[in-house]
Amino acid sequence: GDSVTQMEGPVTLSEEAFLTINCTYTATGYPSLFWYVQYPGEGLQLLLKATKADDKGSNKGFEATYRKETTSFHLEKGSVQVSDSAVYFCALSLGAQKLVFGQGTRLTINP
Amino acid sequence: NAGVTQTPKFQVLKTGQSMTLQCAQDMNHNSMYWYRQDPGMGLRLIYYSASEGTTDKGEVPNGYNVSRLNKREFSLRLESAAPSQTSVYFCASRGQGADSYNEQFFGPGTRLTVL
Repeated sequence: GDSVTQMEGPVTLSEEAFLTINCTYTATGYPSLFWYVQYPGEGLQLLLKATKADDKGSNKGFEATYRKETTSFHLEKGSVQVSDSAVYFCALSLGAQKLVFGQGTRLTINP
Repeated sequence: NAGVTQTPKFQVLKTGQSMTLQCAQDMNHNSMYWYRQDPGMGLRLIYYSASEGTTDKGEVPNGYNVSRLNKREFSLRLESAAPSQTSVYFCASRGQGADSYNEQFFGPGTRLTVL
């Protein structure tokens, strides 16, 4: 079946460090790909998305490129801030109705 | 524009008790969803409703029922709560049209503990 695998957390970095959170997927067709972020005590918010191969999604300094050849959608940010501390979820959507989520990666940024 | 709202925010039940989680959206979305979030497992779909008057099972529907009361509201009911249903529950809704790209909008969640 369709699935998403994210790198294991938790991830702890210092402020201004470079961030990569790996995400790979398995799907029978050509999915749309998403990164969602969950701040403490809140629901999930869409961070960025990409709908076809080689598309780059970007928002708030975060970027991810849809790589069909490696079935990956890794999240990157050049210089993280304390306010980026959150749980990040990679997800895919093939049909009209369902999102399939990875297990989430907890990120903590220390000042 | 409140987006997706959920009530209650917190709930503690005893095994065997029943309760209904409420969800409403004001974005005129056709589709609505209920997920549960458990540590290390991401979000798993319980039920969804593609449009008013229809509901379908998701990945983990056992022990739950849903009602799509109207276009705005989608409730989740636990008829006889079990400790395994201790979780955080999220409601979501989805826009329609080619530009939506299946993006879902989430409520703030309900934290449920079953003793």
